[in-house]
Amino acid sequence: NAGVTQTPKFRVLKTGQSMTLLCAQDMNHEYMYWYRQDPGMGLRLIHYSVGEGTTAKGEVPDGYNVSRLKKQNFLLGLESAAPSQTSVYFCASSYEGWNEQFFGPGTRLTVL
Amino acid sequence: GIQVEQSPPDLILQEGANSTLRCNFSDSVNNLQWFHQNPWGQLINLFYIPSGTKQNGRLSATTVATERYSLLYISSSQTTDSGVYFCAPRPSYDKVIFGPGTSLSVIP
Repeated sequence: NAGVTQTPKFRVLKTGQSMTLLCAQDMNHEYMYWYRQDPGMGLRLIHYSVGEGTTAKGEVPDGYNVSRLKKQNFLLGLESAAPSQTSVYFCASSYEGWNEQFFGPGTRLTVL
Repeated sequence: GIQVEQSPPDLILQEGANSTLRCNFSDSVNNLQWFHQNPWGQLINLFYIPSGTKQNGRLSATTVATERYSLLYISSSQTTDSGVYFCAPRPSYDKVIFGPGTSLSVIP
């Protein structure tokens, strides 16, 4: 089992560019989450999903969109990247709501 | 919104020492989790503990929800325990708030 994987691991964007981060899990988990972590801080929840075809806003959703077309995948999109979105993005999944969460390795995004 | 404090912010331990990390939160919560982020950035869920005490090897956690705090005990610390420890209370179904973390360095 690969657990939770994230693609890409690193990315540099220019202001205004768009991109999609992919999270995949092979544990048949219902719940999936996207967080961002800024230097010296804890994680902040961007969006989450409680099952295939569902998404919901977290603490800091502005500037991001998500989709969960397949149970195993959770995509995070940035339509028009801004320097304030420079961060490390973590995806996580859990079998039941907000129970033990398994994290991916993170994606380090820099927006110039 | 809920405020989360963790203490101490930084901690240096000699290998083999014990420590207690504290998490205070300002409002009632449905649940609380403890996470460890190793020096390479990987996040691991340690405990899911809305109340009471749980133990896992050298680590244990206690949450007293009525008094709005949680404690993480690390006994016989090892260098692999180094990293940042986050508590994350969940004040409502759709919110989880991470604390600022305690940075732990265990030296041989």
